[in-house]
Amino acid sequence: GPKVLQIPSHQIIDMGQMVTLNCDPVSNHLYFYWYKQILGQQMEFLVNFYNGKVMEKSKLFKDQFSVERPDGSYFTLKIQPTALEDSAVYFCASSFLQDTQYFGPGTRLLVL
Amino acid sequence: GDSVTQTEGPVTVSESESLIINCTYSATSIAYPNLFWYVRYPGEGLQLLLKVITAGQKGSSRGFEATYNKETTSFHLQKASVQESDSAVYYCALNYNQGKLIFGQGTKLSIKP
Repeated sequence: GPKVLQIPSHQIIDMGQMVTLNCDPVSNHLYFYWYKQILGQQMEFLVNFYNGKVMEKSKLFKDQFSVERPDGSYFTLKIQPTALEDSAVYFCASSFLQDTQYFGPGTRLLVL
Repeated sequence: GDSVTQTEGPVTVSESESLIINCTYSATSIAYPNLFWYVRYPGEGLQLLLKVITAGQKGSSRGFEATYNKETTSFHLQKASVQESDSAVYYCALNYNQGKLIFGQGTKLSIKP
């Protein structure tokens, strides 16, 4: 089936640093999503993105978070500055319309 | 708010036995959300197992079935005879409103050979 790639698979950084998580969505998809899963907890929606704009964001999408997809390249999630509670696995997803979402394998972020 | 609750894992079933993983939902934003089962096999990413968007309909894939029951607000996942390759984590989810998914907590399934 369609593949979503995420780079890197793991990232360890010091609290206060900036981190960028990269997502390579399915090529013809139009909608993009980030989800966050803290160890042992449910996967939770962060944000979705369409036509260059954030469509909806949850309360987990703090001011330190930003997303973009410049010129159809990677869909990125940037956290600046990072905090300890940002440690989690971040999953990217994409969909053609607002239907079936295809997920990447996740980026495991550890903030020390 | 909207939520999904599913069978708490881990669940262990013997090969060729039947399986049911319960899923109930609460959808306050829209009466009839879309319902999904996603699965994560060991070492792999989350993938769609089946979806049903119409209340009363049944979805099926890879021997698994789930029926959208709006009266009981349930979407239980069933399989008549499991195989070792079904060992995975299963997630029930719903969506509406620009596509964001609301997930259950996941149920880890192990199959005993």
